[in-house]
Amino acid sequence: DVKVTQSSRYLVKRTGEKVFLECVQDMDHENMFWYRQDPGLGLRLIYFSYDVKMKEKGDIPEGYSVSREKKERFSLILESASTNQTSMYLCASGDYEQYFGPGTRLTVT
Amino acid sequence: RKEVEQDPGPFNVPEGATVAFNCTYSNSASQSFFWYRQDCRKEPKLLMSVYSSGNEDGRFTAQLNRASQYISLLIRDSKLSDSATYLCVVTASGTYKYIFGTGTRLKVLA
Repeated sequence: DVKVTQSSRYLVKRTGEKVFLECVQDMDHENMFWYRQDPGLGLRLIYFSYDVKMKEKGDIPEGYSVSREKKERFSLILESASTNQTSMYLCASGDYEQYFGPGTRLTVT
Repeated sequence: RKEVEQDPGPFNVPEGATVAFNCTYSNSASQSFFWYRQDCRKEPKLLMSVYSSGNEDGRFTAQLNRASQYISLLIRDSKLSDSATYLCVVTASGTYKYIFGTGTRLKVLA
């Protein structure tokens, strides 16, 4: 079974803090993805990575950066958290079908 | 026009009923299609890929109509446990990017 894990299920941060969300997959997939999901807007792609140290912007990259130093790990960074980044963050990996982690519900106050 | 459109529902059906959802997509170059299921406050889980010839997995049947640019999901003999949101996913040719619909909510009633 594919396993995608995320570092936290729930996170509360203050405005202006730097936030790190980590994702690890155990299936040797080349591709990894970060999404956010908001009511009425569905899942939107923030960034994806198709190889170590390679990344591409998704549809809503503003305010985010990513890091992929090892194949199994893909990190999402909020450089200076803002209240409009309160959301559910989902990591996925997969080279055809995508498999999701359990999500991190981030609240920025 | 949205790239992937779904009727948000909810579809309320009794146990044992057959229910079908459609999903339309705008990019005729789209090559891969999937249905995901998402339970409340959980992550999406792959239900099935959709192949050109159509495919079936137990009570679930998926179809692709390229001419009219839609995919469908049919659920037979609905169970209470089928209650969830069903997400339609489309990829464009030559990309890894998924484009999600906003989902169709299904409630199966006892």
